[in-house]
Amino acid sequence: AQKVTQAQTEISVVEKEDVTLDCVYETRDTTYYLFWYKQPPSGELVFLIRRNSFDEQNEISGRYSWNFQKSTSSFNFTITASQVVDSAVYFCALYNNAGNMLTFGGGTRLMVKP
Amino acid sequence: NAGVTQTPKFQVLKTGQSMTLQCAQDMNHEYMSWYRQDPGMGLRLIHYSVGAGITDQGEVPNGYNVSRSTTEDFPLRLLSAAPSQTSVYFCASRRAGGYGYTFGSGTRLTVV
Repeated sequence: AQKVTQAQTEISVVEKEDVTLDCVYETRDTTYYLFWYKQPPSGELVFLIRRNSFDEQNEISGRYSWNFQKSTSSFNFTITASQVVDSAVYFCALYNNAGNMLTFGGGTRLMVKP
Repeated sequence: NAGVTQTPKFQVLKTGQSMTLQCAQDMNHEYMSWYRQDPGMGLRLIHYSVGAGITDQGEVPNGYNVSRSTTEDFPLRLLSAAPSQTSVYFCASRRAGGYGYTFGSGTRLTVV
């Protein structure tokens, strides 16, 4: 069985602060994919990033960056200089080749205050 | 290109009623799935399909039925609604060999 844990249920920051959302996963598979999704107040799920288990390079996209560490089974997400528009629920998810499902973490609600 | 379309967006049911949540995709994706989202629990897989005529159970299938007669459509049926089925339901699709899921905008269901 696989599992995704997002220990931070809610985070509140003031605009322009940096914030890191933690994601820890469990899987027995050697080939798997990790995802981050954003769910703004409007409710839709917005794809942010996918990373496969063989690619441990960190990635940066504008104010967003992701740190993938297989040694600690973590795939953390950092927002630099947060903005009010970043307020949303963020989900980390895991997919493996053997199964046919995304396993989601419980989500982290990020509130960015002006 | 509409992507994944879910209808209705909102629904209120009485306990014991049945209904069908509709999901359609126009991307010719082989894989389609239904998830439910409950507070603090993320999204959990209900049923999925790897192609027309093929369906299988996910993590929380009880109380739900699915069928896949065409590539485009994957309806989710609630046979006898219960308050525990109050949730937000998401349909998702992906192409075979791909790993990026496209999600619909969700259906918010309340069972009273």
